[in-house]
Amino acid sequence: EIVMTQSPATLSVSPGERATLSCRASQSVSSNLAWYQQKPGQGPRLLIYGASTRATGIPARFSGSGFGTEFTLTISSLQSEDFAAYYCQQYNKWPPWTFGQGTKVEIK
Amino acid sequence: EVQLVESGGGLVQPGGSLRLSCAASGFTFSSYWMTWVRQPPGKGLEWVANINQDGTEKYFVDSVKGRFTISRDNAKDSLYLQMNSLRAEDTAVYYCARVDDYIWGTFDSWGQGTLVTVSS
Repeated sequence: EIVMTQSPATLSVSPGERATLSCRASQSVSSNLAWYQQKPGQGPRLLIYGASTRATGIPARFSGSGFGTEFTLTISSLQSEDFAAYYCQQYNKWPPWTFGQGTKVEIK
Repeated sequence: EVQLVESGGGLVQPGGSLRLSCAASGFTFSSYWMTWVRQPPGKGLEWVANINQDGTEKYFVDSVKGRFTISRDNAKDSLYLQMNSLRAEDTAVYYCARVDDYIWGTFDSWGQGTLVTVSS
């Protein structure tokens, strides 16, 4: 099983600032890495797939990068609606499909 | 618009059973793999099970093998999760999600979830 590790667990950021979230895989997942956003009381929403491709309708302020075992999600200028939890997920080797434990982005 | 609506959650005693349902609309249900993902209260996401378009191929996380069954009824646009021998650690919000058919392995639409609580 591929273990996904996210850091930090919580990120405190002011509106308008940049947020950088990290995700590490226990073995290479190539570029088969997705990011999801989850707001309280809602199901997750797909943000990024293929490590760097934005899903339909996702604003350009969200960007993903990385390959192999190290990945980053960057939110260039945080808007009020971006304060949420973010999860990475690998789909390179399955089953199981595995998620990181999440990073909560909160208002500073 | 794609819609996934889960139902069937509730309070059940350890060792009990529960059947979750997911009603799909807004897309051709029979053309997609479907999945169940769960989230314990205050914790992260855990993939539970997948099923292919005609129900002939299924995968489960090790912790539920032999206890949970995934099925679907394409005539009713519905996905199911039969959960038996429930344990306290199965307590979670259970989401159904659609597997993206272009970027296979990602989950491109999710429901709002249904809460399952296993407690005496």
